[in-house]
Amino acid sequence: DADVTQTPRNRITKTGKRIMLECSQTKGHDRMYWYRQDPGLGLRLIYYSFDVKDINKGEISDGYSVSRQAQAKFSLSLESAIPNQTALYFCATSDTGGTDTQYFGPGTRLTVL
Amino acid sequence: QKEVEQDPGPLSVPEGAIVSLNCTYSNSAFQYFMWYRQYSRKGPELLMYTYSSGNKEDGRFTAQVDKSSKYISLFIRDSQPSDSATYLCAMSAKLSGGLGTSYGKLTFGQGTILTVHP
Repeated sequence: DADVTQTPRNRITKTGKRIMLECSQTKGHDRMYWYRQDPGLGLRLIYYSFDVKDINKGEISDGYSVSRQAQAKFSLSLESAIPNQTALYFCATSDTGGTDTQYFGPGTRLTVL
Repeated sequence: QKEVEQDPGPLSVPEGAIVSLNCTYSNSAFQYFMWYRQYSRKGPELLMYTYSSGNKEDGRFTAQVDKSSKYISLFIRDSQPSDSATYLCAMSAKLSGGLGTSYGKLTFGQGTILTVHP
């Protein structure tokens, strides 16, 4: 977990607020991912990026946007937070080629009131 | 129907028991099969990884894949209290980006909560 860090670890916000979750990695990986985890639903992919100039939507991208500021940094934004975006958010990284094994950060617990 | 189905449990066993965790899937495009372990307030960590039918063993853990039946299992022998966690199966299919493809599209099961009591 220490190789992939997420800030903040916990956040409570109100409906309609803009919020940014940040992810940094020291693994030197090119590929980065954002997931959300909800009870009974497992983890679902929001956005992924293969490189600084490459951004792709995952299966549940509506209501979210991302920014890849550098190879090591990948941010997730909620432009106007709503209560059903209350969840655990995880960032992950993987290396190019090989098995694409993904390494996860410790997560951000987001509550939207 | 979900692409990956996993019994959410919870599962409670005594120390030393053999634990069996299972997932079924419906998408024939899945190429790689993984088990992740997630401790409370932590991110998932990769436990086992396999891509072919059959068994793969790593210490007390054995991952089993049966592609013909679309079924994967994780067996834990001599379970320990430190094994108490949520176990997530995950399967990967091709993921296309602007700079190529990878097998980084993971589809996760719901997770099984395991408690091993002394």
